[in-house]
Amino acid sequence: GAVVSQHPSWVICKSGTSVKIECRSLDFQATTMFWYRQFPKQSLMLMATSNEGSKATYEQGVEKDKFLINHASLTLSTLTVTSAHPEDSSFYICSGSKLGTLLNQPQHFGDGTRLSIL
Amino acid sequence: DQQVKQNSPSLSVQEGRISILNCDYTNSMFDYFLWYKKYPAEGPTFLISISSIKDKNEDGRFTVFLNKSAKHLSLHIVPSQPGDSAVYFCAASDGTASKLTFGTGTRLQVTL
Repeated sequence: GAVVSQHPSWVICKSGTSVKIECRSLDFQATTMFWYRQFPKQSLMLMATSNEGSKATYEQGVEKDKFLINHASLTLSTLTVTSAHPEDSSFYICSGSKLGTLLNQPQHFGDGTRLSIL
Repeated sequence: DQQVKQNSPSLSVQEGRISILNCDYTNSMFDYFLWYKKYPAEGPTFLISISSIKDKNEDGRFTVFLNKSAKHLSLHIVPSQPGDSAVYFCAASDGTASKLTFGTGTRLQVTL
């Protein structure tokens, strides 16, 4: 149980393009979803936390106008990288958590999206 | 400021032996700790967790030990299997909306 599906798995696009990444919880309701970014051989860095139906909370240094997050339902969150540039190239991973049921629910991760901006 | 550290970037262990992965943290507000396993180009997979009220949690071949006074936790895998070869991340939460802080990862290679 607790499967998170992330799509697409790989995107290559030109500089200036906006890219949308979808994150779906398939068999549970994700009250909270998280978006991470990982550079090669580095740790996962939290970008933002989103709760269904409310605005996302962004970590320090993450531009909210650049990385638009929408969490319209308990099973779907989207991250849109607007006007992407080569420095936005990275591995983006989402996760979902079943908060509100039991404390300390682990986050369950999608398989990530590799974004390459040319 | 790296609040969660995994000082060994890599570890090689023979099949059947014990693998011990270590993790240190600096934030005393952390009260929940997790270990994740990650293959290349995939998201992390949850392995095991431990609350700060415990000092040990066991699940099959995986055991996590927590030493709060030393701000140190470790993951023991015994016996190690080739399929365990992956990058292992420890993560910590202070209970605030389950926000996780990850370590830098340790690449485990289990050899035949």
